[in-house]
Amino acid sequence: DTVLTQSPALAVSPGERVTISCKASESVSTRMHWYQQKPGQQPKLLIYKASNLASGVPARFSGSGSGTDFTLTIDPVEADDTATYFCQQSWNGPNTFGAGTKLELK
Amino acid sequence: EVQLVESGGGLVQPGRSLKLSCAASGFTFSNYGMHWIRQAPTKGLEWVASISPSGGSTYYRDSVKGRFTISRDNAKSTLYLQMDSLRSEDTATYYCATPNYPGVSADWFAYWGQGTLVTVSS
Repeated sequence: DTVLTQSPALAVSPGERVTISCKASESVSTRMHWYQQKPGQQPKLLIYKASNLASGVPARFSGSGSGTDFTLTIDPVEADDTATYFCQQSWNGPNTFGAGTKLELK
Repeated sequence: EVQLVESGGGLVQPGRSLKLSCAASGFTFSNYGMHWIRQAPTKGLEWVASISPSGGSTYYRDSVKGRFTISRDNAKSTLYLQMDSLRSEDTATYYCATPNYPGVSADWFAYWGQGTLVTVSS
């Protein structure tokens, strides 16, 4: 299965720009998607196919990348963005998810 | 508004069975592939099983093949997951999910239920 590697945690101040990375063990073309999960809640789709903003998601969120390296950017970060962010690939075999990056605000 | 509501979770002993349900509303259920995804406590997400819109095709992750059965009742707009021979490593919150486009496959999951917790322990 394709392994997705994410940094475990990040801490940023409100108003800053943050990039969250996801590296795939093999190419996933642009079939990378991003989710936000707040404690006690289900995941919420943010970005699909690497760079497409899901319906209702603020334009502060954006995604980029192809092949094995992908980035989710939040600019500017707001207090409500405190959450864990997961990447997911759908190009190779079974869908797989990254372990998540926990975003904390200073 | 799309709604997915899971039920059926609980505490179960290793080796026993449990059946989860997911009641869907707000979309034409019979047109959409449906999926179960789980999340162990404080862990990441893991795809478990998928079923085609008609129910004629099913797919499972290797670790649950032969133990879990995904099914659906399109007349009731309900998805099921029959879990047999449960193991401690099956302990997780189980979510039903679906993409925002009809068909068999799922690239991304636009809609998720709130999840139901399954705890396998003696």
